[in-house]
Amino acid sequence: GAVVSQHPSRVICKSGTSVKIECRSLDFQATTMFWYRQFPKQSLMLMATSNEGSKATYEQGVEKDKFLINHASLTLSTLTVTSAHPEDSSFYICSARDLVANYGYTFGSGTRLTVV
Amino acid sequence: DAKTTQPPSMDCAEGRAANLPCNHSTISGNEYVYWYRQIHSQGPQYIIHGLKNNETNEMASLIITEDRKSSTLILPHATLRDTAVYYCIVTGGGNKLTFGTGTQLKVEL
Repeated sequence: GAVVSQHPSRVICKSGTSVKIECRSLDFQATTMFWYRQFPKQSLMLMATSNEGSKATYEQGVEKDKFLINHASLTLSTLTVTSAHPEDSSFYICSARDLVANYGYTFGSGTRLTVV
Repeated sequence: DAKTTQPPSMDCAEGRAANLPCNHSTISGNEYVYWYRQIHSQGPQYIIHGLKNNETNEMASLIITEDRKSSTLILPHATLRDTAVYYCIVTGGGNKLTFGTGTQLKVEL
């Protein structure tokens, strides 16, 4: 089945710094990828839809200048959390879908971000 | 996308079938029913999806009512490793997935 790789799995950064998270579709091409955030004991919340070769579409309430998304190729999307603060500490998860195989949406293993 | 309603939690004895219900009374004709599960601190795992016919794969079976307003995910022989939060999601093909609160399934000895 389709595989989505997410890196890093865990990251600790200092307040005010930026952190980049990578999401790769390993065995399929994805023109669209999705970025979610999950706080403890809560469900996944969609942050944005990443579109290859064009601007990302952000959900209401998500700051596009803080959460920079780049989808430069058909297999890679990146999420950069800029000027991170402790309240940005969360579990970030990406997702993509193999439209050719008509498989379900595949999720990465997630990135645990801790801002200190 | 149509909204779904799931019980917040369910218990199941190991080896028994786990039947997880989902209501999606506002589903439209082109929307699929997807099921995912999330084990603690991992990304969601795809289980199964369907449009109107019942579906079965190596993990589970999906039973969709004739009016498509509800569905049931069946894990035929639950094991301890099936303990997870199960999400029922309804969406049009190619659209984003919007997660509800899901059902916490606890499989016990």
